[in-house]
Amino acid sequence: KQEVTQIPAALSVPEGENLVLNCSFTDSAIYNLQWFRQDPGKGLTSLLLIQSSQREQTSGRLNASLDKSSGRSTLYIAASQPGDSATYLCAVSPGGGADGLTFGKGTHLIIQP
Amino acid sequence: GAVVSQHPSRVICKSGTSVKIECRSLDFQATTMFWYRQFPKQSLMLMATSNEGSKATYEQGVEKDKFLINHASLTLSTLTVTSAHPEDSSFYICSAKVYSNNEQFFGPGTRLTVL
Repeated sequence: KQEVTQIPAALSVPEGENLVLNCSFTDSAIYNLQWFRQDPGKGLTSLLLIQSSQREQTSGRLNASLDKSSGRSTLYIAASQPGDSATYLCAVSPGGGADGLTFGKGTHLIIQP
Repeated sequence: GAVVSQHPSRVICKSGTSVKIECRSLDFQATTMFWYRQFPKQSLMLMATSNEGSKATYEQGVEKDKFLINHASLTLSTLTVTSAHPEDSSFYICSAKVYSNNEQFFGPGTRLTVL
């Protein structure tokens, strides 16, 4: 059974810092990996999608990497802003892409003004 | 990105009643939709996979007779919580898959409170 772990569970940093969120998964036979953002009481916003054949994806100040063989992904946030405060979720899709996602418990991020 | 809506956003009901939640893909067709549940301070857990025109596939431990799923069109899936009880109170979120790259887009969620 796939398990997804995210470290740290919570992080509070001053505005402007660059930071790294970590995600690991136990079964490397994934189809893709997605990073999401969730604001309190809200749904999920898709940030980045990395296919299993890719190594990284970038969108603005966000960069996500994937090392499928070691079961790891990182989300790098550059020049953090207070508006980045949210819970960041990592999720993997099993091989074949037929089933739903397996999520980690998330990293609760607070950017101090 | 693709847009997914959910209705209602919040519902409060009495124990024993049934509640229907709608999930719609607004600007694309979704053969497959998914239903997740999120308890406070927990992550999302997959409940079932909803396939247009066929029966839903439920995850282990999810009662199919309690959580009825209907995916009658390529843009609409519904989840009905039958005979709801307080332990069913949760945040229910649906997603729809885009087949071009298997990316999933999520609805805004429905907060269910059963008194």
